[in-house]
Amino acid sequence: TQLLEQSPQFLSIQEGENLTVYCNSSSVFSSLQWYRQEPGEGPVLLVTVVTGGEVKKLKRLTFQFGDARKDSSLHITAAQPGDTGLYLCAGGRRSNYQLIWGAGTKLIIKP
Amino acid sequence: SAVISQKPSRDICQRGTSLTIQCQVDSQVTMMFWYRQQPGQSLTLIATANQGSEATYESGFVIDKFPISRPNLTFSTLTVSNMSPEDSSIYLCSVEDGERIEQYFGPGTRLTVT
Repeated sequence: TQLLEQSPQFLSIQEGENLTVYCNSSSVFSSLQWYRQEPGEGPVLLVTVVTGGEVKKLKRLTFQFGDARKDSSLHITAAQPGDTGLYLCAGGRRSNYQLIWGAGTKLIIKP
Repeated sequence: SAVISQKPSRDICQRGTSLTIQCQVDSQVTMMFWYRQQPGQSLTLIATANQGSEATYESGFVIDKFPISRPNLTFSTLTVSNMSPEDSSIYLCSVEDGERIEQYFGPGTRLTVT
């Protein structure tokens, strides 16, 4: 069974602090996506990383794909209340085009 | 990216009844997925629906309980049959778009079974 372990599952921090969310697996993925979901909405794709060692930045969010394409991290700098939401990582394999989902990180940024 | 709409957005249903959820996409897509999600938790894949073939169900989900239709490349329905309170959840459809295996989601249907 392919697993994608995501941590932490819950994080509550003050505005302005930094944080990192991790996704780890023993399996290699063709790609890894990060999604953010707000209450009452579906998950929204933030970024896709496909190359081992790849780093992508989206304003204050930095995404990294591990060299072996088995793990990824999401780092948020100077978190803001608007960053509050459920963050989900998902690994993709071309063999069946399905995604393996992490457990999710519920992030609360307090003003 | 594809734009996906779902109907209804929410419903409260009596146990023993059935509800059909519709998913409409603004472009033609090959692969569509149906998920179930408890609020604040991760997604559980129910089935993959490809146009022109029967849906493929994941372990723990069966066609009699969750029949799926996929009549064309822009539309799919999921029926939750003979509902019980345990079926109360958020149901999401998504589409697969591109070689990077990215998925785009509808807004979800929040189902409460009483």
